[in-house]
Amino acid sequence: AQTVTQSQPEMSVQEAETVTLSCTYDTSESDYYLFWYKQPPSRQMILVIRQEAYKQQNATENRFSVNFQKAAKSFSLKISDSQLGDAAMYFCAYRSDNFGNEKLTFGTGTRLTIIP
Amino acid sequence: GAVVSQHPSWVICKSGTSVKIECRSLDFQATTMFWYRQFPKQSLMLMATSNEGSKATYEQGVEKDKFLINHASLTLSTLTVTSAHPEDSSFYICSARVPGLAVRGQFFGPGTRLTVL
Repeated sequence: AQTVTQSQPEMSVQEAETVTLSCTYDTSESDYYLFWYKQPPSRQMILVIRQEAYKQQNATENRFSVNFQKAAKSFSLKISDSQLGDAAMYFCAYRSDNFGNEKLTFGTGTRLTIIP
Repeated sequence: GAVVSQHPSWVICKSGTSVKIECRSLDFQATTMFWYRQFPKQSLMLMATSNEGSKATYEQGVEKDKFLINHASLTLSTLTVTSAHPEDSSFYICSARVPGLAVRGQFFGPGTRLTVL
């Protein structure tokens, strides 16, 4: 079974600064997807960024980028120019590429606080 | 696109009663939907995978007779918590996979907060 670990229960960053959230995972599969989801106080889960394991290039979405290290099974999220609206719980998630096994396995989350 | 709705957003019920939560895909057909449970300050735990026209697949430790899932159409899945008790109080979230867009992951509903008195 796959496991996802987020070792930082809480993080804080000054507005406009950069912060990196850590995520490691364990799997024996070679093909899979990794995601970062954001859950603001409204509790609506929002997809932030995704990475296909077969792609060596790190995904980027505006101020959000990842550092995907497949051999190390590491998938960190970097948020640049942090904004007040970035304050939320962030969950790292793993999904197998096997047909019929599309469930998401989530980490325990990191609560991000933005300091004005 | 890819909007998922849930109803109700909040429900309070008495112990021993049953509660039905609906999950709808508004602008796409979802052959597969997922039901999660989230306790305060915790992560999402998958309860079951709901497949249209077939029986749901439950995760280990989830009582299928207590949490009844029905996926009768390509846009609607329902979760019924039968004989609810206070320990069933939680935040229930559904999600749906967009056919042909598996790489995009799942799209989540806004969640339903269940409080059992």
